[in-house]
Amino acid sequence: GIQVEQSPPDLILQEGANSTLRCNFSDSVNNLQWFHQNPWGQLINLFYIPSGTKQNGRLSATTVATERYSLLYISSSQTTDSGVYFCAVGYTGANSKLTFGKGITLSVRP
Amino acid sequence: KAGVTQTPRYLIKTRGQQVTLSCSPISGHRSVSWYQQTPGQGLQFLFEYFSETQRNKGNFPGRFSGRQFSNSRSEMNVSTLELGDSALYLCASSLGTDLREQFFGPGTRLTVL
Repeated sequence: GIQVEQSPPDLILQEGANSTLRCNFSDSVNNLQWFHQNPWGQLINLFYIPSGTKQNGRLSATTVATERYSLLYISSSQTTDSGVYFCAVGYTGANSKLTFGKGITLSVRP
Repeated sequence: KAGVTQTPRYLIKTRGQQVTLSCSPISGHRSVSWYQQTPGQGLQFLFEYFSETQRNKGNFPGRFSGRQFSNSRSEMNVSTLELGDSALYLCASSLGTDLREQFFGPGTRLTVL
């Protein structure tokens, strides 16, 4: 199956700092999503981004499908950005399944 | 628009029992997927239902089953519970098939004693 590696596993930031979270995957995929899991366990969809670049406020993401990686950028971090960030990849079509990475734990300190 | 809802939110069962979890998708969404999250194995795909049909299934034993109703609501059943089934069970809905743009519910935390 597809292997998904996220780095770094843990990240500690001061409020206001910027960060880049990386997701590498082992096969060509046409489904890639980024999620944020808050401290209460709720998973929030940040981006559906199988290729290209998207931006939503302070967050942006870029996926280079041919090189099998995706990056999530967080600018001017806030304490509410704390939590675990997951990358999930997969295929569309008959074998559509999502494989999640182990996640990146982000702590933003005031 | 209301989000994905899951009931119950917390559940405690003993080994050997069975459990049924419920998920109501976002209005208009026809695909419902289920995931298991544990500290050791992380987030793992269980199965996806679309238009009352199971489209895909992850690598879980037959004790894990599900179904989807005509109103897109879905239930997941685990029979003969084992200690290792203790987990956060998450349900997600999406508009169409292929697991694109999934929206998750708050989860059901199951503890097996």
